[in-house]
Amino acid sequence: QVQLVESGGGAVQPGRSLTLSCAASGFTFSNYAMHWVRQAPGKGLQWVAIIWHDGSNENYADSVKGRFTISRDNSKNTLYLQMNSLRAEDAAVYYCARDPTGSYDYWGQGALVTVSS
Amino acid sequence: DVVMTQSPLSLPVTLGQPASISCRSSQSLVYSDGNTYLNWFHQRPGQSPRRLIYKVSNRDSGVPDRFSGSGSGTDFTLKISRVEAEDVGVYYCMQGTHWPWTFGQGTKVEIK
Repeated sequence: QVQLVESGGGAVQPGRSLTLSCAASGFTFSNYAMHWVRQAPGKGLQWVAIIWHDGSNENYADSVKGRFTISRDNSKNTLYLQMNSLRAEDAAVYYCARDPTGSYDYWGQGALVTVSS
Repeated sequence: DVVMTQSPLSLPVTLGQPASISCRSSQSLVYSDGNTYLNWFHQRPGQSPRRLIYKVSNRDSGVPDRFSGSGSGTDFTLKISRVEAEDVGVYYCMQGTHWPWTFGQGTKVEIK
């Protein structure tokens, strides 16, 4: 069965960096674009970034452009999100999600990122 | 960005009664391939979102048939024919037609 398992969340100070991972299993990872979606405490869902199935292209929300980098290692079936220069407003649960075209059909359990001094 | 507007934002419902959530987009969600990438998700407290409906009206595997999606262009609806206790939580519509993909604000469904 399809599984997406995030890791790497934690508490960091503003301005510091953190890298999230999402381990995929149960499907051919290299066939799918993948996304990061976040949810601030008590708030709604916000798309963060996408990477094409082969890693050839990426796109970012304006709020994280220039600070976050999405990447993938198809040989390890793993998606990453490197987050630099973290701000208080980046605090959220970060979900990785599979893109079957125009949608998210599977989500991970989420990784909590807290940004506080 | 395409703005997705849901109503109502809070929906108290009686068990066994129907419920309906509206989602309107600021632009048509018809993509160049002819598909309309309008999705509905359900999120229970402390859980990840789960997709219920994709491309307006296609129910995901395992989703009870009391859930149905309809609409076209900019106007969409999620209906629950008879609400059950497990249906509580927040429902989000989401468009995957225009970049960036965007979500509605969410509709919180609770039992009266």
